Amino acid sequence: NAGVTQTPKFQVLKTGQSMTLQCAQDMNHEYMSWYRQDPGMGLRLIHYSVGAGITDQGEVPNGYNVSRSTTEDFPLRLLSAAPSQTSVYFCASSYSMVGQGTFFGPGTRLTVT
Amino acid sequence: GENVEQHPSTLSVQEGDSAVIKCTYSDSASNYFPWYKQELGKGPQLIIDIRSNVGEKKDQRIAVTLNKTAKHFSLHITETQPEDSAVYFCAAQAGNQFYFGTGTSLTVIP
Repeated sequence: NAGVTQTPKFQVLKTGQSMTLQCAQDMNHEYMSWYRQDPGMGLRLIHYSVGAGITDQGEVPNGYNVSRSTTEDFPLRLLSAAPSQTSVYFCASSYSMVGQGTFFGPGTRLTVT
Repeated sequence: GENVEQHPSTLSVQEGDSAVIKCTYSDSASNYFPWYKQELGKGPQLIIDIRSNVGEKKDQRIAVTLNKTAKHFSLHITETQPEDSAVYFCAAQAGNQFYFGTGTSLTVIP
């Protein structure tokens, strides 16, 4: 199993540009989520999905969109990038949302200038 | 929403000593508490977890304790080794969401 994969690993955007961060898992996990990690602030939940076709907002959803058309994929879209979105983004998955450990991907380091 | 506080933010110990990291949470409905280890340039990795109906759990050199009444839980690492050096995060699950502490940078000095 490849586990949770993310692409790209690094990305630089200009303010106002849009892009999609890709995330895929091959463990048949129902629950997938996106976090951002900023220095001194730990990980904060952006959006999550409890299954294909179902998504919901987390703690910091503004400026991001998600969709879940398949169990395997959970892309994160930045609609109009802003410098405040400079961060490291982690995708994660788990078998279920209740009481299960989460597997994290390797992360995408995004810089918005 | 849930608020998770983690202390200390940095911790240095001599190799072979024990390390303790503490977290508190605010939502009494939180029922699952995982701990993650993050090495430089990598994603967090689950190292141990505990559910709200359990007071203590141990896995070799690491253990987690939970005090539901006081709403705090702790990570204990015994016989620390240089490879234990990393950033450790606690988390609490409330409903469908996980809330993370701000992390503890642990350095084990050989």
